[in-house]
Amino acid sequence: QQQVKQSPQSLIVQKGGISIINCAYENTAFDYFPWYQQFPGKGPALLIAIRPDVSEKKEGRFTISFNKSAKQFSLHIMDSQPGDSATYFCAASRNSGYALNFGKGTSLLVTP
Amino acid sequence: NAGVTQTPKFRILKIGQSMTLQCTQDMNHNYMYWYRQDPGMGLKLIYYSVGAGITDKGEVPNGYNVSRSTTEDFPLRLELAAPSQTSVYFCASSYTGGNGEQYFGPGTRLTVT
Repeated sequence: QQQVKQSPQSLIVQKGGISIINCAYENTAFDYFPWYQQFPGKGPALLIAIRPDVSEKKEGRFTISFNKSAKQFSLHIMDSQPGDSATYFCAASRNSGYALNFGKGTSLLVTP
Repeated sequence: NAGVTQTPKFRILKIGQSMTLQCTQDMNHNYMYWYRQDPGMGLKLIYYSVGAGITDKGEVPNGYNVSRSTTEDFPLRLELAAPSQTSVYFCASSYTGGNGEQYFGPGTRLTVT
């Protein structure tokens, strides 16, 4: 059973556009929501993360929006660049737990 | 620091063979994890360890075994390889548990034919 549902599966955005990836979860015990970025042939790497006590977190061109009541969170990539082309995974976990529950991933292609 | 290293990078196994995927981290992390990644399926946790001598099953442990005799090493053993174990395997480590940043290795691409 997929504990974190991610959409879309793939996304094509023009350079300079906004990329938006959405995730939803069911377990209200989750209290940590990271996004990982993976380039081909590499392992995932942490991009940005948020905890449910805030509704938004911004780091450079990357922003997480968090809606606790809807149990949804999303990644926005502003001014998308070809170098942002990668697979993005959302995840969720419990502070008291050990495992990250990953979404299925979104393959992002930013065209020149 | 090398971070998390994995060997081998690629391997082809015949059905029924066994092998060990090696994972080493030099960050003195207590927590270590093994994931498998299949196309379009995200990453699924196979086993994890919260310290030397302590391991536990994740979401998809069947067909795998692990051991953790030192803080640095967390090998994954495949016994009697099956085509369903064809996947990319990632080892990861973290300083804290579920809410801590996980550092991933470069992965091992395994094909079972």
